[in-house]
Amino acid sequence: AQSVAQPEDQVNVAEGNPLTVKCTYSVSGNPYLFWYVQYPNRGLQFLLKYITGDNLVKGSYGFEAEFNKSQTSFHLKKPSALVSDSALYFCAVRDMASGSARQLTFGSGTQLTVLP
Amino acid sequence: DTGVSQNPRHKITKRGQNVTFRCDPISEHNRLYWYRQTLGQGPEFLTYFQNEAQLEKSRLLSDRFSAERPKGSFSTLEIQRTEQGDSAMYLCASSYGTVTYEQYFGPGTRLTVT
Repeated sequence: AQSVAQPEDQVNVAEGNPLTVKCTYSVSGNPYLFWYVQYPNRGLQFLLKYITGDNLVKGSYGFEAEFNKSQTSFHLKKPSALVSDSALYFCAVRDMASGSARQLTFGSGTQLTVLP
Repeated sequence: DTGVSQNPRHKITKRGQNVTFRCDPISEHNRLYWYRQTLGQGPEFLTYFQNEAQLEKSRLLSDRFSAERPKGSFSTLEIQRTEQGDSAMYLCASSYGTVTYEQYFGPGTRLTVT
């Protein structure tokens, strides 16, 4: 069965500093990987995805993520954090070898707080 | 650009009552998903439609839950005989075949069962 782990419930970073939100995954086949952001009382907003190709993918609002197959990781990064980046971030995976290939499996989320 | 919409946004009901939620996906999207999210957790998959056909159901979807997508457009999720454990945010998402692998989420319906 597919699973996602976000080892940090909370990440604090100063504005202007680089940020990293960690994600590791477990699948039996090839993974499709996603990052979503959730603001209070809002739905999930798609940030970026890895399907195939270049291991470094770029997404919305200056975010990027690096796929590392050997470490089964897909960490979210941004070179310079903004206070407005403060939100709840979710990593998700689709296991393309699974019979339930269409559903996303989400991690438990990481609350990012950017301090002014 | 009209995204995924869900109604109502909030629902408070008494234990034992039935509730129904509606989801309107992005118009050209043929795939529709329902998820449930409880406080402090990521969304959990409930069920999936391709056009009007319900193709997958999670073990989380007990027999008190039923979902429909008539004519492959909007979808409804009904919970019968609600229990306090049903209190959660119910999220709907849609996608378009294999053109967009990512799913686009609506704002959710927050259900509180008293």
